[in-house]
Amino acid sequence: EIQLQESGPGLVKPSQSLSLTCSVTGYTITSGYDWSWIRKFPGNEMEWMGYITYSGSTLYNPSLKSRISITRDTSKNHFFLQLTSVTTEDTATYYCARNDYGTYFFDYWGQGVMVTVSS
Amino acid sequence: DIVLTQSPALAVSLGQKTTMSCKTSQNVDNFGKSYIHWYQQKPGEQPKLLIYFASNLASQVPARFSGSGSERDFTLTINPVEADDVATYYCQQGWEFPLTFGSGTKLEIK
Repeated sequence: EIQLQESGPGLVKPSQSLSLTCSVTGYTITSGYDWSWIRKFPGNEMEWMGYITYSGSTLYNPSLKSRISITRDTSKNHFFLQLTSVTTEDTATYYCARNDYGTYFFDYWGQGVMVTVSS
Repeated sequence: DIVLTQSPALAVSLGQKTTMSCKTSQNVDNFGKSYIHWYQQKPGEQPKLLIYFASNLASQVPARFSGSGSERDFTLTINPVEADDVATYYCQQGWEFPLTFGSGTKLEIK
């Protein structure tokens, strides 16, 4: 069974960087699919942040400009999110998810991790 | 960006049929497919894929759920509604980057 699990600090100070890990079991992230980060804000709005493909290419939401980076560690079957210069507006629940190239729907999701940006 | 508009909430009686809409700011049909997908999110849980390409039932989703629509106008139907269906339902477009979601429709039981 494919499972995704997010981990990382639940509290980040403004202007610092947010770093999260998505651990994938039951499927090797280099075998196929795209691996996305999605966040849900306190008002329930959801935002797709970006993905890393099975081959290591990345695509980001332009709204995040140069603040976002998605990388991976293939030896651990993990992928990562880094978001720099965070503000209180980055407070959200962060999810990792899998989507297929060309279909772009998310068939497996992690449980989510809530991140609060506060001093 | 493609904007998806959903009604914020609706209340329905158990055993009744309910429909919820998702309207897109652009046509999301191409190659014979509608690039609209639906998710269910219960409180404290992650979103769950219900319907993909507007009308295809995802794995292990009860047949009470169905989807329809084309171009810019899409509908998720639940018939009959059960107590377990209390959740927020999101539509998402997969046609154009950035991928975008609707604001969700919260389903409550009367």
